[in-house]
Amino acid sequence: GQQLNQSPQSMFIQEGEDVSMNCTSSSIFNTWLWYKQEPGEGPVLLIALYKAGELTSNGRLTAQFGITRKDSFLNISASIPSDVGIYFCWTGTASKLTFGTGTRLQVTL
Amino acid sequence: GAGVSQSPSNKVTEKGKDVELRCDPISGHTALYWYRQSLGQGLEFLIYFQGNSAPDKSGLPSDRFSAERTGGSVSTLTIQRTQQEDSAVYLCASSLALLANTGELFFGEGSRLTVL
Repeated sequence: GQQLNQSPQSMFIQEGEDVSMNCTSSSIFNTWLWYKQEPGEGPVLLIALYKAGELTSNGRLTAQFGITRKDSFLNISASIPSDVGIYFCWTGTASKLTFGTGTRLQVTL
Repeated sequence: GAGVSQSPSNKVTEKGKDVELRCDPISGHTALYWYRQSLGQGLEFLIYFQGNSAPDKSGLPSDRFSAERTGGSVSTLTIQRTQQEDSAVYLCASSLALLANTGELFFGEGSRLTVL
């Protein structure tokens, strides 16, 4: 079956630092989405990418859809305490719906 | 309602008992998904429903798990003869169009199941 590898598994950073995480797949897909899950909540969509090479920003967040269509990157600039949570990448087809294993982000003051 | 609603929010049960978890999706959303999230783990796909099509049950971990969706709206996930390893947060999500189009899922807050 499809494998979706996300790294790093966890990050401990100081407020103000930039963050970068990525997701790779063994298969080619047409969609990459990034979700954030805060404690006690369900995941919420941050950014959606639908085209290879696409670079999309949402405030301090920037995500890119890899040219190979097998990977995606999420960057967070100038992190703040409310960035804490688990970040999941997501991709799939009509028959396979897969989230990455998640990157747990902790931000210290 | 405005968002995906799940109930109960918390459920504690004894090993061997059956439990039912309910999901009320956003009105008009044709696709509905169930995921399981064990403590500190990622999201494990269980099952999804799309309109009147046969559900994709490929993620259900055993035959003790079943789900139904009545009238294309509310869904119930049933776990029979619960085991301690069933303890997890069960998340429901819905979407307007199956992910081939938008892929945007709207999640509920989850039902936390604890099996003693």
